[in-house]
Amino acid sequence: DSGVTQTPKHLITATGQRVTLRCSPRSGDLSVYWYQQSLDQGLQFLIQYYNGEERAKGNILERFSAQQFPDLHSELNLSSLELGDSALYFCASSVVATVQETQYFGPGTRLLVL
Amino acid sequence: QQQVKQSPQSLIVQKGGISIINCAYENTAFDYFPWYQQFPGKGPALLIAIRPDVSEKKEGRFTISFNKSAKQFSLHIMDSQPGDSATYFCAVLNTGNQFYFGTGTSLTVIP
Repeated sequence: DSGVTQTPKHLITATGQRVTLRCSPRSGDLSVYWYQQSLDQGLQFLIQYYNGEERAKGNILERFSAQQFPDLHSELNLSSLELGDSALYFCASSVVATVQETQYFGPGTRLLVL
Repeated sequence: QQQVKQSPQSLIVQKGGISIINCAYENTAFDYFPWYQQFPGKGPALLIAIRPDVSEKKEGRFTISFNKSAKQFSLHIMDSQPGDSATYFCAVLNTGNQFYFGTGTSLTVIP
């Protein structure tokens, strides 16, 4: 158990809908990272937040957005969902801002868009 | 554009053998090269990482070899065990904190 929690574990929704994925980092960790893992695209870095501020941006679509709240939990919002958004979404956390420190991954949220 | 190319896609090794997975990158602006291990149904976990100022790093049975001029790095798993059966991802990180992952290698260690 990494100490990172993600909810929900599974999510089934329809095209065009909007969903919110939630991540709680390990106690004391200030950085949160979001990743997408799919058969087509492999593992992709989406975005990083550090202590409430966006720190780095990867291959995140404009239909996706994220934020980190004062209690350090983070939410990833996916809107206008398409079939291709079906994937595993991982959250990870680390103590500091630099990704060269060890990141601890959560168990993931499996999203299925029908 | 794929920033890092990983091979092989799958690998089968006998118990006690050496597993070797290779990655090649394009951009010289990367400055951190980690390897991740992922078991089915779990998130990736950092296995070992190297910075470009060293050519090799060893942690237990796991070794990273890094060739800066060739822009290649590889993971060697010595004395491979069935418990090492997992998917392995290499990754590269640039100074902007952006990660790029390889496509993954599915390793099966046969008892």
